[in-house]
Amino acid sequence: QQQVKQSPQSLIVQKGGISIINCAYENTAFDYFPWYQQFPGKGPALLIAIRPDVSEKKEGRFTISFNKSAKQFSLHIMDSQPGDSATYFCAASIRAAGNKLTFGGGTRVLVKP
Amino acid sequence: ETGVTQTPRHLVMGMTNKKSLKCEQHLGHNAMYWYKQSAKKPLELMFVYNFKEQTENNSVPSRFSPECPNSSHLFLHLHTLQPEDSALYLCASSQEGPGGSYHEQYFGPGTRLTVT
Repeated sequence: QQQVKQSPQSLIVQKGGISIINCAYENTAFDYFPWYQQFPGKGPALLIAIRPDVSEKKEGRFTISFNKSAKQFSLHIMDSQPGDSATYFCAASIRAAGNKLTFGGGTRVLVKP
Repeated sequence: ETGVTQTPRHLVMGMTNKKSLKCEQHLGHNAMYWYKQSAKKPLELMFVYNFKEQTENNSVPSRFSPECPNSSHLFLHLHTLQPEDSALYLCASSQEGPGGSYHEQYFGPGTRLTVT
């Protein structure tokens, strides 16, 4: 019930291309969906987040699309750059239950120059 | 020091050893967390402390013992660990308010633990 499934596990994209990562959840009580970016040797850092009353959120080259009826959300990285090479995690939490994040399995993105 | 710091960054310990991981947050936050990051599993929440009180123990074995002496420091005491406990242990902090919130969690760089 608490699981968040993330795909693909890894992704290779050419510089300038679009990276797309998908996540699906089961628990309809989730009401906060952040994406974290992690570089080797570092902890995850918040990249962008969305609430279910919004279908899309864009910050620079990063866009979250949210489909409440399908219980899915995705991260799009436009004009991917080598510096975007990192592991990306989707997560979900229930605001009323405290700030306890349930993470997806992660996607390792490699952007080739 | 800024953000969330963790020491040591790397630790190798035998199954009979006792060691402790330390986390310190310099952000003035009131909540702190321990997560386990293994190669083949999603990031797993282990413990949550709000205002120094433990509010979550996510079915973690007793060989892991957390301690939160104040709102800036968090420890994870380890004893008689198993090889499958080898992982990256991440600390995080956030500023929580009443009624629930969407506040960002800030992560430290982690301690890479190897149990031999």
